[in-house]
Amino acid sequence: DAKTTQPPSMDCAEGRAANLPCNHSTISGNEYVYWYRQIHSQGPQYIIHGLKNNETNEMASLIITEDRKSSTLILPHATLRDTAVYYCIVSPSGAQKLVFGQGTRLTINP
Amino acid sequence: DTGVSQNPRHKITKRGQNVTFRCDPISEHNRLYWYRQTLGQGPEFLTYFQNEAQLEKSRLLSDRFSAERPKGSFSTLEIQRTEQGDSAMYLCASNPEGRTIYNEQFFGPGTRLTVL
Repeated sequence: DAKTTQPPSMDCAEGRAANLPCNHSTISGNEYVYWYRQIHSQGPQYIIHGLKNNETNEMASLIITEDRKSSTLILPHATLRDTAVYYCIVSPSGAQKLVFGQGTRLTINP
Repeated sequence: DTGVSQNPRHKITKRGQNVTFRCDPISEHNRLYWYRQTLGQGPEFLTYFQNEAQLEKSRLLSDRFSAERPKGSFSTLEIQRTEQGDSAMYLCASNPEGRTIYNEQFFGPGTRLTVL
């Protein structure tokens, strides 16, 4: 079962920062936080992951609270192509399968 | 394009028929995964291979489902005696052994199965 809680949907204006929250209050010390997204009719795509430090890559930033019980994915300048379902996944180091929840459907509006 | 490929992209079948899907992972990726996704839900793990060995199977994978990866390259997923409840998107993903610290999986576009 998924160990994360996400809002079912969010809207954001094009060009603004999209901040997607995720609660994972039962996270264990060896579990990473992953974010994937799925654009309509495509397979999921890896975005970013983190353990306890904030992370940034060319796609997004990941902010993890100090107690690690929640995190926020930030898309700094959202475009229409960022419209997708975003999944927050908690998974231990070395795990093979990904356990997806229902994710957040993010709609970027022009 | 060197991504994960899946064939066919769409399959419509009648209840009771057998269907087989194929997944070609990214070359050099020795780990291969199958997931199933129903409408409005996130993908659900079905099974995973390391090379030709099937190392984990979900209890979702009933005895009507079988997956193979005979030479450690492409994989097939067969569903026998299909039921309407099998209608879903079947996703394949791969990644290379060694990336055990973080779990980046590369997904294919999926095969959409409709059972009439």
